[in-house]
Amino acid sequence: SSDLTQDPPVSVALGQTVKITCQGDSLRTYSASWYQQKPGQAPVLVLYDTNNRPSGIPDRFSGSTSGNTASLTITGTRAEDEADYYCNSRDTTGYQVVFGGGTKVTVL
Amino acid sequence: QVHLQESGPGLVKPSETLSLTCTVSGGSINKLYWSWVRQPAGKGLEWIGRLYSDGTTNYNPSLKSRLTMSVDMSKNQFSLNLKSVTAADTAIYYCARCIATAGNNWFDSWGQGILVTVSA
Repeated sequence: SSDLTQDPPVSVALGQTVKITCQGDSLRTYSASWYQQKPGQAPVLVLYDTNNRPSGIPDRFSGSTSGNTASLTITGTRAEDEADYYCNSRDTTGYQVVFGGGTKVTVL
Repeated sequence: QVHLQESGPGLVKPSETLSLTCTVSGGSINKLYWSWVRQPAGKGLEWIGRLYSDGTTNYNPSLKSRLTMSVDMSKNQFSLNLKSVTAADTAIYYCARCIATAGNNWFDSWGQGILVTVSA
């Protein structure tokens, strides 16, 4: 089981906007980060500390948080954005790291 | 740009110890956190544990009784030992650089991963 709960698989039309969420009590205290993972590849950090993009990550990726829910939004979705997306944060004790179960994003 | 590379046996027998090493290049291991994350086939990511360059560790409670992580500053490497493995430990194992702040903990660089199968 995971302390962070993510959405079931979602589909988005090419060029449209998709928002996926990550829920957990620890998110009231700690910020979330997000990873993109394509089949057969290692995860790639796309957002850290809620809404910060590492170098090289397009600005169509953005994040937000409200209460116990963190969100990742992809605006103007491209075919290459099709992937599994995982959130992570600390657990409620602050000493452990947890991942959400992942959300598969399919681009139609 | 830091580069991480996992190495170790791809096949481990049940009840034995899984041992992996992560070699870091392009940057020093010093004064940073480093982690192991695993992923069973078709499943999500599971945090295994992290260690600081001084050897301080935090382990996933579900693995803590079987887990040891260590660092070798002279080789710019860190290692994972998981004892008494079962088929449930079969997974791709990733090493990653961990950025830890007061408010969060994220992984900004990852190795390519190594598949470890537990089987007789």
